[in-house]
Amino acid sequence: AQRVTQPEKLLSVFKGAPVELKCNYSYSGSPELFWYVQYSRQRLQLLLRHISRESIKGFTADLNKGETSFHLKKPFAQEEDSAMYYCALSISGYSTLTFGKGTMLLVSP
Amino acid sequence: GAGVSQSPSNKVTEKGKDVELRCDPISGHTALYWYRQRLGQGLEFLIYFQGNSAPDKSGLPSDRFSAERTGESVSTLTIQRTQQEDSAVYLCASSLAGGANYGYTFGSGTRLTVV
Repeated sequence: AQRVTQPEKLLSVFKGAPVELKCNYSYSGSPELFWYVQYSRQRLQLLLRHISRESIKGFTADLNKGETSFHLKKPFAQEEDSAMYYCALSISGYSTLTFGKGTMLLVSP
Repeated sequence: GAGVSQSPSNKVTEKGKDVELRCDPISGHTALYWYRQRLGQGLEFLIYFQGNSAPDKSGLPSDRFSAERTGESVSTLTIQRTQQEDSAVYLCASSLAGGANYGYTFGSGTRLTVV
């Protein structure tokens, strides 16, 4: 079965510092990868998806099939980036998402 | 409505009682999903509906859990004879068609506490 691992429960950085939220997956086929975010007192929402190769709020993520990783990066963290971030995987052609346990990002002034 | 609506937002129940959780998806979203999040854990898949059929209910943890959906509308998750380990936030999400690539729209969840 597929699995998503986010090794860090908490990542604390200062404003302006680079951020990398790690995500590793296990799946033998070609997965579709996503990042979801939950800001304080808000609903869980889609941040970005690898298939779109987009940059949202300055965040990017590259799928590395060799390392089975989909790390989320931002060059300069902002205080408003503080939130819970979840990496998720979908099997191609199959609908449901498998989520990691999440990483809390805290950006201090 | 504009978003996915879940009710109640909070539910405290006594062990052994039955509970019903409701999800009202975005109009036009044919796919609907239930997830559970226990304290300190990730989101755990429960069941997926496409229209009113459930092609994947592999995540339901026991036969005490059941869910139904009326057409492409409201879904109800029922937990019978609740146990303390059922305490969690139950999240509902909907999406266009049955593709994760459309992105899930989540509700705000129902926090269930079994005492």
